[in-house]
Amino acid sequence: NAGVTQTPKFRILKIGQSMTLQCTQDMNHNYMYWYRQDPGMGLKLIYYSVGAGITDKGEVPNGYNVSRSTTEDFPLRLELAAPSQTSVYFCASSTISSPLHFGNGTRLTVT
Amino acid sequence: QKEVEQNSGPLSVPEGAIASLNCTYSDRGSQSFFWYRQYSGKSPELIMFIYSNGDKEDGRFTAQLNKASQYVSLLIRDSQPSDSATYLCAVAPSNFNKFYFGSGTKLNVKP
Repeated sequence: NAGVTQTPKFRILKIGQSMTLQCTQDMNHNYMYWYRQDPGMGLKLIYYSVGAGITDKGEVPNGYNVSRSTTEDFPLRLELAAPSQTSVYFCASSTISSPLHFGNGTRLTVT
Repeated sequence: QKEVEQNSGPLSVPEGAIASLNCTYSDRGSQSFFWYRQYSGKSPELIMFIYSNGDKEDGRFTAQLNKASQYVSLLIRDSQPSDSATYLCAVAPSNFNKFYFGSGTKLNVKP
């Protein structure tokens, strides 16, 4: 049972480039989330989804987009990458009654 | 903005001592409370969750919740060097659709 899988693990982007961070879960969880974690800081919620076709903004959504076409997948799109988006990105999933299960994270550097 | 506050530390305790980690939250609608442990470069892993006022014990860990004071704590008994990590407090509403994190407390357990 893989749980929450994120790809890639590492990525370096140039300013202005775009990319998609992939996240998939095999636990049939309805809820999925994207967080970012800056060095020495806690996790900030970017976007979340309570089911396929439903997404909503979190605390820090600017510069990001998401989609949720299936229960399993919740990709995060970065358009026009900026140095401020250098961070570690975590995808997580849960149900209405369970804690968060995290993926292993994607370390992104924008230079 | 949902505020979750933690002392960033570092909190240093000798091996075998009790480590006490504290967290306050601003949203009185929060119903569920979680403690995650995060080793450097790794994703957060769940230690405990608590929903009701009072204490909840699991092995060497005890979570304490006081909703009237909007305060949740984690006690680690018989601290071990392997407990050295950052501890993240998280809160969520009753439907688990959003989890808000504090910035974490770094714990150092000295042999």
